[in-house]
Amino acid sequence: GESVGLHLPTLSVQEGDNSIINCAYSNSASDYFIWYKQESGKGPQFIIDIRSNMDKRQGQRVTVLLNKTVKHLSLQIAATQPGDSAVYFCAENMRSGYSTLTFGKGTMLLVSP
Amino acid sequence: DADVTQTPRNRITKTGKRIMLECSQTKGHDRMYWYRQDPGLGLRLIYYSFDVKDINKGEISDGYSVSRQAQAKFSLSLESAIPNQTALYFCATRRQEGTGELFFGEGSRLTVL
Repeated sequence: GESVGLHLPTLSVQEGDNSIINCAYSNSASDYFIWYKQESGKGPQFIIDIRSNMDKRQGQRVTVLLNKTVKHLSLQIAATQPGDSAVYFCAENMRSGYSTLTFGKGTMLLVSP
Repeated sequence: DADVTQTPRNRITKTGKRIMLECSQTKGHDRMYWYRQDPGLGLRLIYYSFDVKDINKGEISDGYSVSRQAQAKFSLSLESAIPNQTALYFCATRRQEGTGELFFGEGSRLTVL
């Protein structure tokens, strides 16, 4: 989900559960999408990416799903671990405007042992 | 050593002071970016540069300026800092546009009193 104002949406899960983080992107012409993970006090780190000609892409424990019809992106994390606790951002590469990555407002994932 | 290095990591200054945040990279990328992060607002683009002779304004460039001193160096300046410029600033690099991730530095936390 996207945040409103200063409050990040938060997803709380138990260790071992599967997590799904959602993102609504803004531009139907965007052709490339990335998920980033940001731990406290650190810069964002790349998790996984997907091009607009794909619906699904899998990585290690992570899967990204893209639904262009409703401009929706999701990140699925399997067997969530305490080390997955962080803020997760989706980003889209718009083919117009600033021609670089535009970020969503983020979702905080909290994983309890 | 980090691929993207930002200095200083933390800075406290007063309203009206001139501040420079520096960024250097060893990734050999032509494209460099400055983003600002505020709680609940994600990452917003300030300025970006596609090569030494190319500088472009981003979404929130007012009150900021940049200098691309070399392929590896991209600095952000606040000519006269104001309190609402208190934020976490990130430098990033990218190999090419359209695809590929942004590589972020660890961030520079600026507080303007």
